[in-house]
Amino acid sequence: EVQLVESGGGLVKPGGSLRLSCAASGFTFSSVWMSWGRQGPGKGLEWVGRIKSKTDGGTTDYAAPVKGRFTILRDDSKNTLYLQMSGLRIEDTAVYYCIKGGAAPHWGQGTLVTVSS
Amino acid sequence: QSVLTQPPSVSGAPGERVTISCTGGSSNLGAGYDVRWYQQLPGTAPKLLIYGNSNRPSGVPDRFSGSKSGTSASLAITGLQAEDEADYYCQSDDNNLSVWVFGGGTKLTVL
Repeated sequence: EVQLVESGGGLVKPGGSLRLSCAASGFTFSSVWMSWGRQGPGKGLEWVGRIKSKTDGGTTDYAAPVKGRFTILRDDSKNTLYLQMSGLRIEDTAVYYCIKGGAAPHWGQGTLVTVSS
Repeated sequence: QSVLTQPPSVSGAPGERVTISCTGGSSNLGAGYDVRWYQQLPGTAPKLLIYGNSNRPSGVPDRFSGSKSGTSASLAITGLQAEDEADYYCQSDDNNLSVWVFGGGTKLTVL
């Protein structure tokens, strides 16, 4: 059974940094493209970015609102996905989801990030 | 403003059939990219309902079906049940913008 468990969310001040983690199990993590998505309070779903498998180059792509501020990393030895966030803004407040890619994506349960002074 | 356009809300009585539309453009649905549909119950994570335009993951009832034609897609729910009350989102890839794009979501109310 696929399991994705996010952690690392919390309260951070504008301009601050935070690193989210996603522990994956139940599938061959190293072979899968992984993504992060988010959902602001009362808002719809938004794609944040993705990282390809190392076999496919391990490159990353980001949505325009986070490009240059967020970095996605993966540690295949630990089956763990990361989202390094810096220069956080109030509008980054959201539940952040780890997403297993592929034809039939699977979403984790999410972790809440609140950016507020 | 979402890249994919969905109606904000739809409603139906128990047992009825409802459809939710998703309209895109030449850089996403019209470019041949598949559409996925997610169901999000209140306070929970999105759950995949349909992938590859019309395929259901294991465990999703056959009351849910999807289709796509050109720059539009739709999700149909037959035999509506109270437990179907949720937000529904369509999603696809896009050439021009970010890699994934979403519809704004449709709130389904079971009357």
